[in-house]
Amino acid sequence: GESVGLHLPTLSVQEGDNSIINCAYSNSASDYFIWYKQESGKGPQFIIDIRSNMDKRQGQRVTVLLNKTVKHLSLQIAATQPGDSAVYFCAESYTGRRALTFGSGTRLQVQP
Amino acid sequence: DTGVSQDPRHKITKRGQNVTFRCDPISEHNRLYWYRQTLGQGPEFLTYFQNEAQLEKSRLLSDRFSAERPKGSFSTLEIQRTEQGDSAMYLCASTENSGTANTEAFFGQGTRLTVV
Repeated sequence: GESVGLHLPTLSVQEGDNSIINCAYSNSASDYFIWYKQESGKGPQFIIDIRSNMDKRQGQRVTVLLNKTVKHLSLQIAATQPGDSAVYFCAESYTGRRALTFGSGTRLQVQP
Repeated sequence: DTGVSQDPRHKITKRGQNVTFRCDPISEHNRLYWYRQTLGQGPEFLTYFQNEAQLEKSRLLSDRFSAERPKGSFSTLEIQRTEQGDSAMYLCASTENSGTANTEAFFGQGTRLTVV
């Protein structure tokens, strides 16, 4: 069945460094991908999304890269700050389906 | 309207009791979703409404679960005869009307249910 997974459960970086969080998906029909940040006790917060007709999209300090050939998605955070510490989820969907399928998350720890 | 609102934030109930949660989506959003999240896992889809119509239900939504959105605005999720396995964070999300394309879902802060 379809699944979205993450390579690393925990990522620890130094403040100011760049962070890269990876995600693999298995459904070749997926054409919409989205990253969320979730802090403890709070709901997921939208970061950035990308459609399958693109391979890169940039936001403020964040970049999402999509490699459809190997079904891989990554989130890059530039100049990581302590406030970036949270669990990050990738999720996917496809045209005709409204629900998102989430991975299990990567915890990002930013060391001061 | 600052976002998706859920009530209550926390609920502790005894096994066998019924509970009801409420979600108020972003006002101009016509699509509303319920997800469940257990500790250390990503959210899992439960059900989805477009306006007042419930268009999709997950197999996770057992007969003890029912969701409504009677006027196409707020929604309620009821769990009857709660079990300890129902303990989780129940998240509501909404999206704007985007035609056939998917768009970002905005989540509420969730209702944390603990069944004792």
